[in-house]
Amino acid sequence: ETGVTQSPTHLIKTRGQQVTLRCSSQSGHNTVSWYQQALGQGPQFIFQYYREEENGRGNFPPRFSGLQFPNYSSELNVNALELDDSALYLCASSTGQPSSNEKLFFGSGTQLSVL
Amino acid sequence: GDSVTQMEGPVTLSEEAFLTINCTYTATGYPSLFWYVQYPGEGLQLLLKATKADDKGSNKGFEATYRKETTSFHLEKGSVQVSDSAVYFCALKTGANNLFFGTGTRLTVIP
Repeated sequence: ETGVTQSPTHLIKTRGQQVTLRCSSQSGHNTVSWYQQALGQGPQFIFQYYREEENGRGNFPPRFSGLQFPNYSSELNVNALELDDSALYLCASSTGQPSSNEKLFFGSGTQLSVL
Repeated sequence: GDSVTQMEGPVTLSEEAFLTINCTYTATGYPSLFWYVQYPGEGLQLLLKATKADDKGSNKGFEATYRKETTSFHLEKGSVQVSDSAVYFCALKTGANNLFFGTGTRLTVIP
């Protein structure tokens, strides 16, 4: 039990639609990162938020955006969905500074299918 | 750029067999190295880590040694159990704020 919950667990959308994925972290976890895990691949970093500000971004287009809230919850929004966006989306949270090696706690993910 | 190359799977072993999963990395600077495990239906969990050369990370009978000269961080366990069946990911982190993961190795242990 990591204390990180993601919703929904599964989601089906059609190309061109918009989607919002949600993550709830443990109290005190002020750093949250989002990763995309395509089938058979390792997770790829999308972006990170620290104290409600974006604090680094991977090689993903601007249609991937996020928010972090004071209650340790966060959102990943994806606009204009494409077929290649089909993947498992993972949320990970931690305490401490983002550049530290504090342990990351991962949620079980949201499986997004784009048809 | 930073990257991790991980041994291709899947790997199938009998219970009590010796396990090695190879991992090599490319990084600028001095990365920290990690092994994460993903059990069926669960999120990724940190298995072990090493933050500098020659450090050995260990947990639950698994070990990995940070080898700077060979840029490797191979995962080993002397005697695997059925409960070790999972997907194992090698990962690195430099001064940046994100982890770079390998593609994962699926391990199946049969009784």
